[in-house]
Amino acid sequence: DGGITQSPKYLFRKEGQNVTLSCEQNLNHDAMYWYRQDPGQGLRLIYYSQIVNDFQKGDIAEGYSVSREKKESFPLTVTSAQKNPTAFYLCASIGQGGSPLHFGNGTRLTVT
Amino acid sequence: QKEVEQDPGPLSVPEGAIVSLNCTYSNSAFQYFMWYRQYSRKGPELLMYTYSSGNKEDGRFTAQVDKSSKYISLFIRDSQPSDSATYLCAMRLGAGGTSYGKLTFGQGTILTVHP
Repeated sequence: DGGITQSPKYLFRKEGQNVTLSCEQNLNHDAMYWYRQDPGQGLRLIYYSQIVNDFQKGDIAEGYSVSREKKESFPLTVTSAQKNPTAFYLCASIGQGGSPLHFGNGTRLTVT
Repeated sequence: QKEVEQDPGPLSVPEGAIVSLNCTYSNSAFQYFMWYRQYSRKGPELLMYTYSSGNKEDGRFTAQVDKSSKYISLFIRDSQPSDSATYLCAMRLGAGGTSYGKLTFGQGTILTVHP
C-alpha cells in the first residue's frame, strides 16, 4: 500500500528541547512538504523540497529545519527557537504533472 | 486580510440536508481549487479538484468555482453522519515554476451531520 507515514502520532516535549518529526513516503514522489495546522487557522506551509538535497522555506519557516537526503524521507526538526511549537504537523507529497497533494496522518506535538 | 477566507461554522445539520460550504479569495492569480475533508486526528483527504470556473460533480458532492467573483463552494447532497468532519478549501497558483504543493488554505469549517 502506497502512502505517507508520519511518526510518532503523538509527541510530548519540554520547552527548550529540539524534536524531530519523521515523514516517509513510498509513492515515489519527488516533492515533499511540511504544513502546520492550528485550530481555526487552516494549514500553513513550513518547508518544502522538490528534489533530493534541496529545500525551500515556506511561509512560517522560522524555528524549524529540514533535510532531504533521500527521496523517501523528509524529517522536520522543531527547534527551541520556535516560539509556539505546540501544533498538528502534516507531511505531504505530490507526484508529477500537478497531481493533487497527498497527506500523511500527522503528528500532534505538545510542548510544555 | 487573509488571502482565503472560509465560512468558519461550525455547521450542524440533520441527516439528508443539503450542505453549502464557501470560501472567498483575494488573489486573482489562483488557478486551481480544491476541497479537502479531514476527520478528527487524521490528515486531509482530497474531495474535489477543479481548474476552471463552473461546476464539477462527483456523487453527492458538487464543487462550484466563480473566478469572476473569487468565490468557491462545495455542496453536499443527502448529507450523512459519516460526512461529519472538517472541510478545508485550498487553492494554488498556476504552473510556470510554482511548486504544485504550495497551497493556500482556508481556516476550515467543522460540519456535524446528526441522525
